[in-house]
Amino acid sequence: DAGVIQSPRHEVTEMGQEVTLRCKPISGHDYLFWYRQTMMRGLELLIYFNNNVPIDDSGMPEDRFSAKMPNASFSTLKIQPSEPRDSAVYFCASTREQETQYFGPGTRLLVL
Amino acid sequence: RKEVEQDPGPFNVPEGATVAFNCTYSNSASQSFFWYRQDCRKEPKLLMSVYSSGNEDGRFTAQLNRASQYISLLIRDSKLSDSATYLCVVSRNFGNEKLTFGTGTRLTIIP
Repeated sequence: DAGVIQSPRHEVTEMGQEVTLRCKPISGHDYLFWYRQTMMRGLELLIYFNNNVPIDDSGMPEDRFSAKMPNASFSTLKIQPSEPRDSAVYFCASTREQETQYFGPGTRLLVL
Repeated sequence: RKEVEQDPGPFNVPEGATVAFNCTYSNSASQSFFWYRQDCRKEPKLLMSVYSSGNEDGRFTAQLNRASQYISLLIRDSKLSDSATYLCVVSRNFGNEKLTFGTGTRLTIIP
């Protein structure tokens, strides 16, 4: 049974470039979450979706960040333009009602 | 003040010892409580849920004190494979809403 799939696993880019992170949730899960983890701030929720609809985006740092979920099996998190302070590990997680969240392996982003 | 606070450690403990982690949370409306484990450069994974009555899973025991807003994790007979970061997590309901993570306590078991 495949878990949450994220791509790319690693991304190195230069400041100002657009970055797109991708996530495929576990089949049958109707909640999808995007988190960011840094040494300083730990693991923070950026945004979550229920049935492909964004429910809470209060954690999205600023307008440079956007997330979409065009269908039940795919979501993207986009940063445009990227900045060095965006360097972090970005995790996607999914779940369904009354179950725990399952995390993907994460995308390690380094913005130079 | 952070919503979930943990001692970051590191805790360096000899193999076979008992180790305890503590965590406090500030939101009294929190309903669900968990301990997650995160290995180096890996994703967080659920270790166990925490119930008011306390619960045990093998060598692991979790306790919740709602009055003090305090959660604990006890690991008995520690193994080298227990080396990881342990994250205290709270939620206003179960699973499908915002999980708030502590910054984690790093544990290293020494042979």
